Amino acid sequence: KAGVTQTPRYLIKTRGQQVTLSCSPISGHRSVSWYQQTPGQGLQFLFEYFSETQRNKGNFPGRFSGRQFSNSRSEMNVSTLELGDSALYLCASSPPEAGPVGANVLTFGAGSRLTVL
Amino acid sequence: AQKVTQAQTEISVVEKEDVTLDCVYETRDTTYYLFWYKQPPSGELVFLIRRNSFDEQNEISGRYSWNFQKSTSSFNFTITASQVVDSAVYFCALKVAGTASKLTFGTGTRLQVTL
Repeated sequence: KAGVTQTPRYLIKTRGQQVTLSCSPISGHRSVSWYQQTPGQGLQFLFEYFSETQRNKGNFPGRFSGRQFSNSRSEMNVSTLELGDSALYLCASSPPEAGPVGANVLTFGAGSRLTVL
Repeated sequence: AQKVTQAQTEISVVEKEDVTLDCVYETRDTTYYLFWYKQPPSGELVFLIRRNSFDEQNEISGRYSWNFQKSTSSFNFTITASQVVDSAVYFCALKVAGTASKLTFGTGTRLQVTL
């Protein structure tokens, strides 16, 4: 069973540019969430998508956005890049809730490492 | 708001030693879930265990064991007879009921196991 696939794995951008990252969840998983990992702030929740709708959002500026397609694949976009956006961006997917909301286990991809110069 | 504290930034042990990684959490919710993830150098977070707030039974899985104590809001993780392959960053995380995918992570503990 294929895991969560993120592309690209590495990319370099300059300030002011925009970037789009892609995430393909495990087959059958309908929830996709995104996290940012930096040395200073650690792992922080960006947003979650379920059935093409944003279900939850973290505390990030509007420059960070995402979407989910009908096949559950998701993209996140960061516009007007800043140096502080340099990070590892992790995507996670989870199966439909079989029990209480929150009990599901997230499976993470290997991440997309973004460097902003 | 939720908070997870992993006070140990980095731990170094020699192979075969036992090591315990500490995790303390804060939440006002009565229903919540606790997780441990491992992050090897490749970057991928690997799920290790989930515990819900109603289940304080400790768990052992091979060389891994977990001690969940609601009275002290702790969810500690012990590796017995550590191996070099255990070297990684370990994260403790908390998710409250109703927030399907919003994990609150601790800052992680880097474990270095040497020969």
